[in-house]
Amino acid sequence: KQEVTQIPAALSVPEGENLVLNCSFTDSAIYNLQWFRQDPGKGLTSLLLIQSSQREQTSGRLNASLDKSSGRSTLYIAASQPGDSATYLCAVKVLIRRQLTFGSGTQLTVLP
Amino acid sequence: SQTIHQWPATLVQPVGSPLSLECTVEGTSNPNLYWYRQAAGRGLQLLFYSVGIGQISSEVPQNLSASRPQDRQFILSSKKLLLSDSGFYLCAWSGQLNTEAFFGQGTRLTVV
Repeated sequence: KQEVTQIPAALSVPEGENLVLNCSFTDSAIYNLQWFRQDPGKGLTSLLLIQSSQREQTSGRLNASLDKSSGRSTLYIAASQPGDSATYLCAVKVLIRRQLTFGSGTQLTVLP
Repeated sequence: SQTIHQWPATLVQPVGSPLSLECTVEGTSNPNLYWYRQAAGRGLQLLFYSVGIGQISSEVPQNLSASRPQDRQFILSSKKLLLSDSGFYLCAWSGQLNTEAFFGQGTRLTVV
């Protein structure tokens, strides 16, 4: 059974810092990995999708990497801003089943 | 472009009452559809997913059921709500296999 772990559970940084969020998964047989953002009381917003054959994806100040063999992904946020404060979730889609398995998320607070 | 609609946004229901949450997707055909539940302080739990009309897979034995009467409509139901059914319910869709998943804005259900 696929398990997804996100460390740390919470993170607080001053504005302007670069930061890294970690995601690990137990079964490397995945279709893809997706990073989401969730604001309090809201749905999930897709940030980046990395296919199993890719190593990284970039969107603006965000860069996500994937090392499928070691079961790890990182989300790098450059020059963090207070508006980046949210919970960040990673999820993997496994080969056998068609649904996403989620980690518990990292709650990020960027202090002005 | 594709959009996903989920309603209602909030719902307060007494124990033992029925439930019907609706989700519709626009701008795509034959999507994979999903219902997730997010309990307070916990990760997302997959409840149901559907790969086509009338095709429903249940992930967790429970008090809920799902139906897909039309290609882009997904309904979550219960005949009698329990207190433990309280939570944040999220509908999502994706294309086939390794495409990106998109979420609705969620329904906050409180059973009293």
